[in-house]
Amino acid sequence: KNQVEQSPQSLIILEGKNCTLQCNYTVSPFSNLRWYKQDTGRGPVSLTIMTFSENTKSNGRYTATLDADTKQSSLHITASQLSDSASYICVVSGDAGKSTFGDGTTLTVKP
Amino acid sequence: DARVTQTPRHKVTEMGQEVTMRCQPILGHNTVFWYRQTMMQGLELLAYFRNRAPLDDSGMPKDRFSAEMPDATLATLKIQPSEPRDSAVYFCASATDGNYGYTFGSGTRLTVV
Repeated sequence: KNQVEQSPQSLIILEGKNCTLQCNYTVSPFSNLRWYKQDTGRGPVSLTIMTFSENTKSNGRYTATLDADTKQSSLHITASQLSDSASYICVVSGDAGKSTFGDGTTLTVKP
Repeated sequence: DARVTQTPRHKVTEMGQEVTMRCQPILGHNTVFWYRQTMMQGLELLAYFRNRAPLDDSGMPKDRFSAEMPDATLATLKIQPSEPRDSAVYFCASATDGNYGYTFGSGTRLTVV
C-alpha cells in the first residue's frame, strides 16, 4: 500500500531558527514528490517539485532534498519567519495521476 | 498569477439538502482534481478528470456524490442528499498533463447541520 509518513507531527521553533521536516514514502512506481505549504483556511501552495533525478531543489528559504534510494525527503527552512507558521504537506505521485498525501507537519514559529 | 477559483468559499446547509460546489481550473490545465480535507483524514482524493473525462472517482461515495466537467472551464462537485459527516473543506486543483505541479483553489468550507 502506498504510504507517505511525515515527521514530526508538529513543531514549535523560535523566529530566526532553522528547521527540517521529514517525509518517508513507500509509493511505487515513483513519479515526483512535492512539498506544499498550507496556511490556515487556505489551499495548499506548491513549494517544490522533484522528480527521480533531482536530489535537491530550493525555493527561497525552503530547500527540499530527495533520496530516491531510501525513499526519503526533507524540507529545510532557513531563518524562519512568523509567516512560515503553517502546515507542510508532502505529496508523492506514482503513475496514472495517483498521489498520496502525508498528514502534514504543523509548524509554529514564535517570536 | 493564474489561479484556481472555487465557489462558494463557505456553505452551511441542512442535512438532506443538495450542495453544489464549483471550480474554475487554470486556463490550459487539462487535469482537474477534487479533494476533501478533514482533521481526521487529511486530504483525500475524491475524483479527477483529464480532458474533461473522469479517470478515477473511486474515492467518492457514489450514492450521494457526483462530479462533472460540463466544459473545460468548469468542474462541479455535487452532494445529494448532504449529511453532517460531509462537513469538510473541499479543494479543487488543476494541473497540466499528468500530475506534475498541481495548483489548488482556496477551497469550499462545507458545514452540514
